[in-house]
Amino acid sequence: GDSVTQTEGPVTVSESESLIINCTYSATSIAYPNLFWYVRYPGEGLQLLLKVITAGQKGSSRGFEATYNKETTSFHLQKASVQESDSAVYYCALGDASSGQKLVFGQGTILKVYL
Amino acid sequence: EAAVTQSPRNKVTVTGGNVTLSCRQTNSHNYMYWYRQDTGHGLRLIHYSYGAGNLQIGDVPDGYKATRTTQEDFFLLLELASPSQTSLYFCASSEQGANTEVFFGKGTRLTVV
Repeated sequence: GDSVTQTEGPVTVSESESLIINCTYSATSIAYPNLFWYVRYPGEGLQLLLKVITAGQKGSSRGFEATYNKETTSFHLQKASVQESDSAVYYCALGDASSGQKLVFGQGTILKVYL
Repeated sequence: EAAVTQSPRNKVTVTGGNVTLSCRQTNSHNYMYWYRQDTGHGLRLIHYSYGAGNLQIGDVPDGYKATRTTQEDFFLLLELASPSQTSLYFCASSEQGANTEVFFGKGTRLTVV
């Protein structure tokens, strides 16, 4: 079946350090998978951080970026310099646009950024 | 800005109890979804719908019913709640298409004791 695996958390980094959260996917039933990163801050719903719908393309938002790599089936999230306000839970997700936009999520990675 | 509102935000019920979780979206999206989120798991799709009166089965439907009464309203029903259904439930909505964003509510935390 379709699945997403991402870095086990929590991930703890110091402010201004770089960050990478790994994400790999398996899309056995989705012909043209879309890839997403969502973020959830405490007490809030999930918010879209970035999306890429075409293999080989890069998405970016708020200093985060991720490249859709079809060869390695990966969509790693990176940021060059994190801030304390980036502390949240990050979810990698695989989308099937043939049925609305059904999403298959990774387990989520808790990110803690300290001063 | 798309809005998805869930109610209640928190609910405690007893084993065997009857629970209804409500979701309303104000963006006239065709698709609505119910997910559950448990520690160690990502969000998992319970049911979804592409319009009033329509219901599609998701990946973890056992023990749940759902009903889409209008374009805006989607309900999740637990008729005989069990402790295994203690979870954080998210409702979401979207249009169809590759370049579409899914909008999520803030979640309902359900505890079955």
